[in-house]
Amino acid sequence: AQKITQTQPGMFVQEKEAVTLDCTYDTSDQSYGLFWYKQPSSGEMIFLIYQGSYDEQNATEGRYSLNFQKARKSANLVISASQLGDSAMYFCAMRRWTQKLVFGQGTRLTINP
Amino acid sequence: DAMVIQNPRYQVTQFGKPVTLSCSQTLNHNVMYWYQQKSSQAPKLLFHYYDKDFNNEADTPDNFQSRRPNTSFCFLDIRSPGLGDAAMYLCATSRDASGETQYFGPGTRLLVL
Repeated sequence: AQKITQTQPGMFVQEKEAVTLDCTYDTSDQSYGLFWYKQPSSGEMIFLIYQGSYDEQNATEGRYSLNFQKARKSANLVISASQLGDSAMYFCAMRRWTQKLVFGQGTRLTINP
Repeated sequence: DAMVIQNPRYQVTQFGKPVTLSCSQTLNHNVMYWYQQKSSQAPKLLFHYYDKDFNNEADTPDNFQSRRPNTSFCFLDIRSPGLGDAAMYLCATSRDASGETQYFGPGTRLLVL
């Protein structure tokens, strides 16, 4: 069975600092996708970034990058130059080929001015 | 340019009174999903439609039903809401079921009195 672990229930970061949110996963499959979603207090789940298991380059989307270390089964999200609007819950998720999306328990990020 | 729309954003119902939540999409995606998310938890998949094919999760209570009359719309029916059904209900879509990114709507927050 696949499993996602986010070990940081909460993080507090100063504005403009970079932040790394940890995510490790467990699967025996070779083909899978890794996703990060942001959920502000309004409740909407906002897709941030995707990494395929066969992608050799780390995914980047603006200020977001995914530090993918396949051998360690790690898919950490890096947010550069954090902003107050980055305060939210962040979920790491994984999906095998046709299986359902499995979420971690989330990390609540708070950006302090 | 809203892509996944959920109505209403907030719904209050009485214990045992049937309620229907609505989701529509402008992405022309084949797959539509319904998730339940309780406070401080990860979203939990209830069921999904691949086109007209309905796929129920094994642990989804019979109290929850869904309809997809066409590609654009999908409904979540809760036949007899209990206090434990109070939650955020998230609708999501993906182009197909083969590991594609899921895009979420803003959610409907359900309160049961």
